[in-house]
Amino acid sequence: GENVEQHPSTLSVQEGDSAVIKCTYSDSASNYFPWYKQELGKRPQLIIDIRSNVGEKKDQRIAVTLNKTAKHFSLHITETQPEDSAVYFCAATRMDSSYKLIFGSGTRLLVRP
Amino acid sequence: SAVISQKPSRDICQRGTSLTIQCQVDSQVTMMFWYRQQPGQSLTLIATANQGSEATYESGFVIDKFPISRPNLTFSTLTVSNMSPEDSSIYLCSTPGQGAIYNEQFFGPGTRLTVL
Repeated sequence: GENVEQHPSTLSVQEGDSAVIKCTYSDSASNYFPWYKQELGKRPQLIIDIRSNVGEKKDQRIAVTLNKTAKHFSLHITETQPEDSAVYFCAATRMDSSYKLIFGSGTRLLVRP
Repeated sequence: SAVISQKPSRDICQRGTSLTIQCQVDSQVTMMFWYRQQPGQSLTLIATANQGSEATYESGFVIDKFPISRPNLTFSTLTVSNMSPEDSSIYLCSTPGQGAIYNEQFFGPGTRLTVL
């Protein structure tokens, strides 16, 4: 089955700096890769996603890149703000069959004012 | 999109007892999933709740411990049976919704379970 690894487990950056979180997946059939942000005591919320037929996607300060050959994808947050502080999870799934999300272990991001 | 509610939002239970968690979606959906999030950990898929048939469990999860019902396309329950302190977690249901675009998977608010 699918296995998703995520690094780093914690990340501390200065406000305004960039943050990068990396994930690798094992199942070459996975074709959808969402990123979720979870604030303390709240449910995970989708912040950006990418399909396997796209190499990069950007939404304002957030971008995701995908390297299918290497089976890894990354989340990039630019101009970080204190409200970006949260736990971020990557996930992978097959959107044409199981739709089961397999999550990475999570990255706790702290943005220092 | 799909709006999901869960009941109860939290509970404190004694070991050896069982708790049933309800998940209600505001529209008919084909797929519903149950996840567990242990304290400080990631989300782990427990099972896929199938309408009209037995749930499909992931490795490490069994029906006797986590029986699931899915009586219709908007509702599912997860029971945590014979609880122990190790079952203390947040339990979340989710669905990718329904329609032409199977993108975002929506999560319920979660049920925070503490077992004493």
